[in-house]
Amino acid sequence: SQQGEEDPQALSIQEGENATMNCSYKTSINNLQWYRQNSGRGLVHLILIRSNEREKHSGRLRVTLDTSKKSSSLLITASRAADTASYFCATVASGSARQLTFGSGTQLTVLP
Amino acid sequence: DSGVTQTPKHLITATGQRVTLRCSPRSGDLSVYWYQQSLDQGLQFLIQYYNGEERAKGNILERFSAQQFPDLHSELNLSSLELGDSALYFCASSGQGAQETQYFGPGTRLLVL
Repeated sequence: SQQGEEDPQALSIQEGENATMNCSYKTSINNLQWYRQNSGRGLVHLILIRSNEREKHSGRLRVTLDTSKKSSSLLITASRAADTASYFCATVASGSARQLTFGSGTQLTVLP
Repeated sequence: DSGVTQTPKHLITATGQRVTLRCSPRSGDLSVYWYQQSLDQGLQFLIQYYNGEERAKGNILERFSAQQFPDLHSELNLSSLELGDSALYFCASSGQGAQETQYFGPGTRLLVL
């Protein structure tokens, strides 16, 4: 079963705008990772944030983590048509487990 | 390119049949994970192997089995296939540290008719 939910389920914006996606999860975590999936293709790793980190940047991506609320957000700035994809958050639970538990994903459409 | 390879890319088979999916991890990665992505269940963890040994099990059906060989490649065997087994099957690999990134292969799309 999935760890949590992402919202919104779908997001449509104009090129150049910022896109924000939110993820909630249920259990204590070791880290949280964001992945992108272009239609029916493989998952591309975007960023990993550890449970003791609050914010992380990578290029146009900014991820925040609030472990007290068990939530994370992914911000994509100055979006491009090529950013159109599904975005998933995935958590690694605290302890010895290493497998990812995925959220339900956000479908982002960036209109040119 | 993640460095993880999966074969075949597509597989079409009939109910009741058995198929084998193959995965080669990134060079140096000892951990291999299998995930299933379907429309109704989303992305779900199936099973993990580390250096040839089963390490963790998720929502894997008894009809499914996997193994990791000495050269670290892994195979996922799906038997007595049902229509509901139609899905994308992903393999991922990583190191074994707690903060390791998992790198995903391109997936095998299975269609059971």
